[in-house]
Amino acid sequence: GDSVTQTEGLVTLTEGLPVMLNCTYQTIYSNPFLFWYVQHLNESPRLLLKSFTDNKRTEHQGFHATLHKSSSSFHLQKSSAQLSDSALYYCALSARNYQLIWGSGTKLIIKP
Amino acid sequence: EAAVTQSPRNKVAVTGGKVTLSCNQTNNHNNMYWYRQDTGHGLRLIHYSYGAGSTEKGDIPDGYKASRPSQENFSLILELATPSQTSVYFCASGRTASQNTLYFGAGTRLSVL
Repeated sequence: GDSVTQTEGLVTLTEGLPVMLNCTYQTIYSNPFLFWYVQHLNESPRLLLKSFTDNKRTEHQGFHATLHKSSSSFHLQKSSAQLSDSALYYCALSARNYQLIWGSGTKLIIKP
Repeated sequence: EAAVTQSPRNKVAVTGGKVTLSCNQTNNHNNMYWYRQDTGHGLRLIHYSYGAGSTEKGDIPDGYKASRPSQENFSLILELATPSQTSVYFCASGRTASQNTLYFGAGTRLSVL
């Protein structure tokens, strides 16, 4: 069945360093949609960015991700981490039945 | 901005008691979802609905029932609450499409003692 893997449960970085959160997926569907949701402490998840176009960079609020169907990846990146980026990040996949398949989440902690 | 409202925001229940969590959306979205969130497990789908009168089982439906009496309202019912159901519950709504964005409510923190 469809699945999403986020290998890092916790990522701790110093402010100003680049961020990369990994997301890989499995599906036999040829046109998946991939999403990144962000959840700050004591808040609910909200969409950060999404994509369905192969090899096209998608950007929002300083973050970017590129869907690579050849490697089944949709890694989230940012050039310079800010303290306010500390949050829980979920990668999610929407395939044939339109239901979202969620990764287990990556907690990002940015330290001064 | 899409609006999803959950009530109550916090609930303390006794083991064996009945608990009803309510969700209202004003987005006219067809799809609604109930998730629970626990540390180490991420978001897990309990029940979902494609429209008024429909409910479907998600990945962890045991011990939960759902009701969708109208387009706007979607309830999650715990007939016999157990301590293992202590969690944070999120309701979400979305359009019927593969690229649909989910809009989440603020969450309900449930403690079953």
